[in-house]
Amino acid sequence: KAGVTQTPRYLIKTRGQQVTLSCSPISGHRSVSWYQQTPGQGLQFLFEYFSETQRNKGNFPGRFSGRQFSNSRSEMNVSTLELGDSALYLCASSLAGSEYQPQHFGDGTRLSIL
Amino acid sequence: DAKTTQPTSMDCAEGRAANLPCNHSTISGNEYVYWYRQIHSQGPQYIIHGLKNNETNEMASLIITEDRKSSTLILPHATLRDTAVYYCIVRVPGTASKLTFGTGTRLQVTL
Repeated sequence: KAGVTQTPRYLIKTRGQQVTLSCSPISGHRSVSWYQQTPGQGLQFLFEYFSETQRNKGNFPGRFSGRQFSNSRSEMNVSTLELGDSALYLCASSLAGSEYQPQHFGDGTRLSIL
Repeated sequence: DAKTTQPTSMDCAEGRAANLPCNHSTISGNEYVYWYRQIHSQGPQYIIHGLKNNETNEMASLIITEDRKSSTLILPHATLRDTAVYYCIVRVPGTASKLTFGTGTRLQVTL
């Protein structure tokens, strides 16, 4: 069974640009969550999508947005990039509806802002 | 979610069992204990989870004390590829999906 796939793996952007990251969950998983990981702040929750609806949201500015498609694939977008947005962006999927199942992570997209 | 306390780092000889402790003294009755690990430049990898009974899978065993205030992750025969940061998390399943990782334990497996 294929794991969570995130593309691209690496991305370099400049301040002010916008970026879209993609996540394909494990087959059958309907919940997709996004996280930002930095050395200073650790793992921080961005948002969760289930059945194309945002179900939970973390404490990030509106520049961070996401969506989920009918096949459960998800994208997140960051507009007006800032230097502080440099981070590893992780996507995790889980069997929503089965409360005890854990989240499974992809290897992330490493975003560098110049 | 309840807070967890883990040692900052541990060493283990290859082939020996690695026992990683976690303290979660404020855990509530319906909170599960989850373990993840993260190898450098990769995403976190799920290892195991449990509520109150000991659990075992192909990767590890999880021992939870009877009062549920602490647990131990056991890697029975550590290899060099088990070198990673290990995170212990307690949370109520099915609620807000957000996970919060603490600083974890950096396990170094040596020859």
